[in-house]
Amino acid sequence: QVQLVQSGAEVKKPGSSVKVSCKASGGSFSSYTIIWVRQAPGQGLEWMGRIIPIVGLTNYAQKFQGRVTFTADISTITAYMELSSLRSEDTAVYYCARGLGDPNRFDPWGQGTLVTVSS
Amino acid sequence: SYVLTQPPSVSVAPGKTARITCGGDIIGSKSVHWYQQKPGQAPVLVMYNDRDRPSGIPERFSGSNSGNTATLTISRVEAGDEADYYCQVWDGHSDHVFGTGTKVTVL
Repeated sequence: QVQLVQSGAEVKKPGSSVKVSCKASGGSFSSYTIIWVRQAPGQGLEWMGRIIPIVGLTNYAQKFQGRVTFTADISTITAYMELSSLRSEDTAVYYCARGLGDPNRFDPWGQGTLVTVSS
Repeated sequence: SYVLTQPPSVSVAPGKTARITCGGDIIGSKSVHWYQQKPGQAPVLVMYNDRDRPSGIPERFSGSNSGNTATLTISRVEAGDEADYYCQVWDGHSDHVFGTGTKVTVL
């Protein structure tokens, strides 16, 4: 049973960058997808994009193009999401999840990482 | 961009049936997935491909999808079903889209 464990909460200054990790336990990345979703306080879910770790293929939601980078380390079964040029509106919980099937459904999810952007 | 519209809230008495709708342009031609999110927790997949239940999800949860509306139905509602529910589709181009979310309150 695959579980996704994310890195801890972060507090960042406006204009800086943050890198969140997502480690898979109980399995390998195999051929599946890792997706990233964020949720601002009191708001809904927002899809940021996806990576297929085994080939390094990425797709980013247009809103985040140029500001977000997804990477993965197959040897440690860990995916990463780096968001740059942070602003207060980026304050949110960031989730990773495994994408399954075609079209992808997301299961399971990581526990989430709170990123707070504040001066 | 593709938009999915859900009612902000649904209230239901214990033991009754809750129906959560997800509206989108010809959504019946897409596969719809549903997630349950309880306060302070990550979302959990409760329905996929319109009407398939993941392992561990009670049979009380069912789904349908036709025309411009997909529906998640929760029968014999229990207190533990109180949560936010989100629908999700692949827009057919490059993005996954989530619905606006519905808060289910058990009276």
